[in-house]
Amino acid sequence: GDSVTQMEGPVTLSEEAFLTINCTYTATGYPSLFWYVQYPGEGLQLLLKATKADDKGSNKGFEATYRKETTSFHLEKGSVQVSDSAVYFCALRGREDDKIIFGKGTRLHILP
Amino acid sequence: KAGVTQTPRYLIKTRGQQVTLSCSPISGHRSVSWYQQTPGQGLQFLFEYFSETQRNKGNFPGRFSGRQFSNSRSEMNVSTLELGDSALYLCASRKGSRRENTEAFFGQGTRLTVV
Repeated sequence: GDSVTQMEGPVTLSEEAFLTINCTYTATGYPSLFWYVQYPGEGLQLLLKATKADDKGSNKGFEATYRKETTSFHLEKGSVQVSDSAVYFCALRGREDDKIIFGKGTRLHILP
Repeated sequence: KAGVTQTPRYLIKTRGQQVTLSCSPISGHRSVSWYQQTPGQGLQFLFEYFSETQRNKGNFPGRFSGRQFSNSRSEMNVSTLELGDSALYLCASRKGSRRENTEAFFGQGTRLTVV
């Protein structure tokens, strides 16, 4: 079945460092891909999305490109802030199904 | 525009009891999905409702059930609670049918603790 694999955390960086969180997926067809963020005690917020190959999703300085050839959707940010500390989830949704498949999540700590 | 509202936010129940969680989707959204989040298993899909019909179901025992009302509000019920049912239960709403590639919006969740 469909699945998402993302890098294990926690990831600890200093403020203004470059961030990459790797994500790869397995799916039939052409799924939509997402990054969600979860702040402590909160639900999930959609950070960005891409619905077809080579699409680039971007929001709040974060970016991810839908790479069909490598089945990847890595999250990047050029300069992280303390306020970016949260858990990040890579996810996919198939074309025929509303079910969202999530990765295990990556906890990010940004040190001032 | 109000977001997805889940009630209650926190709940403590005893093993063997049953519990009902509520989710009010964003106005105009007809699809409601439920997810269970635990430290060990991560986020797992429970079921999805669209226009009062269950359209998809995850791999959970029959103790987990749900329904959707004509106003799109949804409830999830867990009977004969077990300690392992302790989790954050998240509800997500989407605007329309599968052919509409719209994003899902999540509520803040209901934290269920079974003692």
